[in-house]
Parts: sequence; C-alpha cells; structure tokens
Amino acid sequence: KQEVTQIPAALSVPEGENLVLNCSFTDSAIYNLQWFRQDPGKGLTSLLLIQSSQREQTSGRLNASLDKSSGRSTLYIAASQPGDSATYLCAVRSGGGADGLTFGKGTHLIIQP
Amino acid sequence: DAGVIQSPRHEVTEMGQEVTLRCKPISGHNSLFWYRQTMMRGLELLIYFNNNVPIDDSGMPEDRFSAKMPNASFSTLKIQPSEPRDSAVYFCASSLSGLWAEAFFGQGTRLTVV
Repeated sequence: KQEVTQIPAALSVPEGENLVLNCSFTDSAIYNLQWFRQDPGKGLTSLLLIQSSQREQTSGRLNASLDKSSGRSTLYIAASQPGDSATYLCAVRSGGGADGLTFGKGTHLIIQP
Repeated sequence: DAGVIQSPRHEVTEMGQEVTLRCKPISGHNSLFWYRQTMMRGLELLIYFNNNVPIDDSGMPEDRFSAKMPNASFSTLKIQPSEPRDSAVYFCASSLSGLWAEAFFGQGTRLTVV
C-alpha cells in the first residue's frame, strides 16, 4: 500500500528566504506526483504536476523535482512571500487498482513579514 | 470553465439524518473522485468513477455511505444515517481519463453532524 510522508509538518521562515519542502513515498511505481496548496477553509489548488518520466517542473518561483527511484520529491520556493503561507500537500498516483491520489499530511508553511 | 463545483459549501445536520453532497466535474473530464479530509487522517479517497462507472469504492467507510454518478456532469455522495464521526470536509475532484492526468479539486463541503 502506497504511503506518502511530508517533512517538516510545519515550517516558519522570514520573508525572502528560499525554502524546500520534502515528500517521500514508499512505492516507486507511480504515474505522477502532484503538489497542491491549501489555504485555510479552502479547496486544493494544483501547483505542479510531474509525470513519472520527468525530473522536474517549474512554475514561477516554484520548482518541483522528482527522483522516482528513491521515492522522493522536493518543492523549492524561491524568495518566499507572506502570501505563500498555506499548507502544501504532496500526492502520488500509483494505479494498479489504487487509481486515486494518495496524499501526505502536508507541510504547514508560515512566512513571517 | 468554472472548475469543479460542489454544493452545499457547509452543511450542519443532526445525527441520524440523511445528507447528500453534490458535485459537478469539469466539462470533458471522465474521472471523478470523492475524498474526505479530517485532521487525524488527512485526505482519504472514498470512491473513484471513470466514465460514470464506480471503479474503486474500497475507501467508502461503511454501508451508510453511497455514491452515484448518473451522468457525466453530476455526482452525489450520500450518508444515511449520518453520525457525528462523519463530520469532515468532503472534496470532489475530476480529471481526464488516464493515470497521467492532473486532478482538479472543488472547494469542498464542510459537514458537521451534531
């Protein structure tokens, strides 16, 4: 059964810092990995999708990498801003009968002004 | 497209009552997912439809939960009878068919059973 772990569970940094959020998964046989952002009381916003054949994806100040063989992904946020404060969720799609996304518990990020 | 649309946004009901949550997926998406989010367990997949057919309902917690997708543009998740432990945020998501596809989520329905 696929399990997804996110470290750290919470992170607080001053504005302007570059930061890295980590995600690991136990079964490397994935189809893709998706990073989401969730604001309090809101839905999930898709940030980046990395297919299993890809190594990284970039969108603005966000860069996500994938090392499928080691079961790891990182989300890099450059020049953090207070508006980046949210919970960041990592999810993998494994197939093999488990066709939905398996989520980690998330990293709660606070960017201090 | 307006994205995945869920209704209601908030629902408060008494224990024992029937609750129906509704979802309209993004037009053209063939796959639809229902998830439940709680503080303790995070996001859990309840059921997955492809082309209106339930493919995997192994996450449905009990027989009190049922889901239908009568057509490509509408799905319901019903809880009958509801219990306080069903209190959670329920999300609907949709994607194109294929395990490579990106999933898009609705705003969720916050259910409180008192």
